[in-house]
Amino acid sequence: DTAVSQTPKYLVTQMGNDKSIKCEQNLGHDTMYWYKQDSKKFLKIMFSYNNKELIINETVPNRFSPKSPDKAHLNLHINSLELGDSAVYFCASSQGGRTTDTQYFGPGTRLTVL
Amino acid sequence: GNSVTQMEGPVTLSEEAFLTINCTYTATGYPSLFWYVQYPGEGLQLLLKATKADDKGSNKGFEATYRKETTSFHLEKGSVQVSDSAVYFCALVGNQGGKLIFGQGTELSVKP
Repeated sequence: DTAVSQTPKYLVTQMGNDKSIKCEQNLGHDTMYWYKQDSKKFLKIMFSYNNKELIINETVPNRFSPKSPDKAHLNLHINSLELGDSAVYFCASSQGGRTTDTQYFGPGTRLTVL
Repeated sequence: GNSVTQMEGPVTLSEEAFLTINCTYTATGYPSLFWYVQYPGEGLQLLLKATKADDKGSNKGFEATYRKETTSFHLEKGSVQVSDSAVYFCALVGNQGGKLIFGQGTELSVKP
């Protein structure tokens, strides 16, 4: 059973398009996250949700909008894609948002904007 | 703000060599510390963690000790294998609970 899954695994699109990435976790966790990994493999948090409520919202362009229909899903919608959005996007989940909680990561979605 | 600094890679070792990847952190309060590993083309997997000072995390022959006095969490393994080739990330969660802050990653390549 896949604990944290993301679709699609690869996404190639043109500048200006709108796209979504879906994430689902079957661990029964309350908290979910989105991270961005750039071409130098640097990882940075974008958002986190706890029980469908936005908890962390880093300095991310407002073209990025997370949506959590229920606590097992956290989707990422990106409007007006730009070249600089090309990256690998990872979804993660944890039991809660506590300091000691382990975050479990999905396999990633490689987004390429042409 | 909170931050994590890792030694620069790539690190290239022969099989059965001893591995150390240095990690130091800056944080207020009492962060939890993590090592994650990313194999080529895959997501991140938790390797080990420590949640308080002097705790030692260990897994698959890897270990790291949470040293508050030196603000360090160095990763060690006594004898590396080719299958350990991956990128290793040191990370912390501080007083903004849930926000994982990563180091820049250290690429390890183990040659037979």
